Amino acid sequence: GDQVEQSPSALSLHEGTGSALRCNFTTTMRAVQWFQQNSRGSLINLFYLASGTKENGRLKSTFNSKESYSTLHIRDAQLEDSGTYFCAAEGANTGKLTFGHGTILRVHP
Amino acid sequence: GPKVLQIPSHQIIDMGQMVTLNCDPVSNHLYFYWYKQILGQQMEFLVNFYNGKVMEKSKLFKDQFSVERPDGSYFTLKIQPTALEDSAVYFCASEGDAEQFFGPGTRLTVL
Repeated sequence: GDQVEQSPSALSLHEGTGSALRCNFTTTMRAVQWFQQNSRGSLINLFYLASGTKENGRLKSTFNSKESYSTLHIRDAQLEDSGTYFCAAEGANTGKLTFGHGTILRVHP
Repeated sequence: GPKVLQIPSHQIIDMGQMVTLNCDPVSNHLYFYWYKQILGQQMEFLVNFYNGKVMEKSKLFKDQFSVERPDGSYFTLKIQPTALEDSAVYFCASEGDAEQFFGPGTRLTVL
């Protein structure tokens, strides 16, 4: 089965509201990255975490390696936040990233 | 963040021909990766490369695939010969100190 389980697969938010995305890992991961894939297909780095919590503007992410999950919180969503969000985790003995299936976020007025 | 460039942005090619995808990684990075994303689907790891060698590859990295970075120039992915199922967007990633940065991708269409 998949090593990275991402949820929800799709999310619709009104401007100004917020929500959380989550990734569960079925094996031990040593780090996680979160990306936004924009309408042109480019991957924008949001966070890199080996542990703990980081915050950047309206985004906050947590990685709990012991409990094998990571979250991405979005608050005060704006129209430009629309896109597909991916988590990607790095295994204990490898440099490769294993991606989740993505969350399609649509922010509407 | 650091910029990774990919050339070309689009490539259309007939099945059976050879194609080379080029990546210009971040200048002081040492680890390089190729990933494949079929339209609307998950991003999947192909191969990683360090110090002139393939370190790890997935099942998707078929015998027809090869990578190299001659003399510190472009990091390339060559497919010879191409097959219909190779149609996808190929992303290069560059890593210096743990975090990977991705290029904008090359959309490959095999006819």
